[in-house]
Amino acid sequence: GAGVSQSPSNKVTEKGKDVELRCDPISGHTALYWYRQSLGQGLEFLIYFQGNSAPDKSGLPSDRFSAERTGGSVSTLTIQRTQQEDSAVYLCASSGLTGRDLDTQYFGPGTRLTVL
Amino acid sequence: RKEVEQDPGPFNVPEGATVAFNCTYSNSASQSFFWYRQDCRKEPKLLMSVYSSGNEDGRFTAQLNRASQYISLLIRDSKLSDSATYLCVVNVANDYKLSFGAGTTVTVRA
Repeated sequence: GAGVSQSPSNKVTEKGKDVELRCDPISGHTALYWYRQSLGQGLEFLIYFQGNSAPDKSGLPSDRFSAERTGGSVSTLTIQRTQQEDSAVYLCASSGLTGRDLDTQYFGPGTRLTVL
Repeated sequence: RKEVEQDPGPFNVPEGATVAFNCTYSNSASQSFFWYRQDCRKEPKLLMSVYSSGNEDGRFTAQLNRASQYISLLIRDSKLSDSATYLCVVNVANDYKLSFGAGTTVTVRA
């Protein structure tokens, strides 16, 4: 079946512009996650969705970052007034909702964001 | 102290060799552990889950040492295709949130 998809695969933007990143999870996966990976670093948790609600937004680095999910499916991560330190690969993952299904996360290919 | 720590390597080994590396975790109550593989400029992919003392899948063996709070990954008979970064992942609080190590780089040479 189809895996997690993300778009765009690459995004180059100028400092101060807003960007929107999209994630399409595996069909039927209720849990959705956004992570950020900077060069040579581990994955940094940003936000977790359970259905359309986000019970944990604790990883969002600032109020310039926001995310939403509609229809229990597609999610968008929006970064306003981008800064150079926002440059990273943004990864989306999805999983089932309970037990070991919740543990097993499947990742999309990521969006490589470069802020000039 | 970081929740999950790994030796970054790199581990450079010849084809056919055995390579092993560890990962330490901070929360003794953690129950679920994983090894993910990440190729250069690609997404992480699940290699192995560890819920009890260990797991084996072909040439790959993961072992969990709860007393010392570390997980190891051993790769036997290394192949060129095993060259990748291996991410140690721990479900620290036994909920939805996974904590990722920074990865151990393995390079297998001909």
